[in-house]
Amino acid sequence: TQLLEQSPQFLSIQEGENLTVYCNSSSVFSSLQWYRQEPGEGPVLLVTVVTGGEVKKLKRLTFQFGDARKDSSLHITAAQPGDTGLYLCAGGGYGQNFVFGPGTRLSVLP
Amino acid sequence: DTGVSQNPRHKITKRGQNVTFRCDPISEHNRLYWYRQTLGQGPEFLTYFQNEAQLEKSRLLSDRFSAERPKGSFSTLEIQRTEQGDSAMYLCASSSAQASGTSTDTQYFGPGTRLTVL
Repeated sequence: TQLLEQSPQFLSIQEGENLTVYCNSSSVFSSLQWYRQEPGEGPVLLVTVVTGGEVKKLKRLTFQFGDARKDSSLHITAAQPGDTGLYLCAGGGYGQNFVFGPGTRLSVLP
Repeated sequence: DTGVSQNPRHKITKRGQNVTFRCDPISEHNRLYWYRQTLGQGPEFLTYFQNEAQLEKSRLLSDRFSAERPKGSFSTLEIQRTEQGDSAMYLCASSSAQASGTSTDTQYFGPGTRLTVL
């Protein structure tokens, strides 16, 4: 059974601080997605990474896929209150079902 | 393309009643997924379709749950004889499975249907 772990489970920081959240597995995934979810809504896709070692940037967010395609990190620079939400990683790809981690709940205080 | 839509957004029902949810995927997507999410957890896979074929079902999907995608477009998820433990957010997602040789199969989610069983 493929499992994804995310850390930390909860994170509360002040506006302007930097942070990194992690997504780890003992399994290899052909792709990994990061989502942000707000209360009462479905997850919204942020990025998909497919190549080991790949780094993608989305404004203040930097995503990295591990060389062995088993782990990933999300780094946010100068966090803003609008970044508040549940950050989910999901591993999968062609021919595989998607597996979600439990999420990191981020709270950015003004 | 208006994205994945789900109806209803909220459903309150009494224990023992049957409920049905609908999902309309992104039009050109051939894969459709159903997930269940409880408070504070990530989505849990229930089942998925490629076109009209239901290819896999999780053991979470008890006999009271049934999903269909009759024409390979919209899908319905029915829960019979609902129980309080069925209360959750039910999410639908769709993706476009690529031809052999590519590995990207990114899924896009709908807003979910929040079920409350009293």
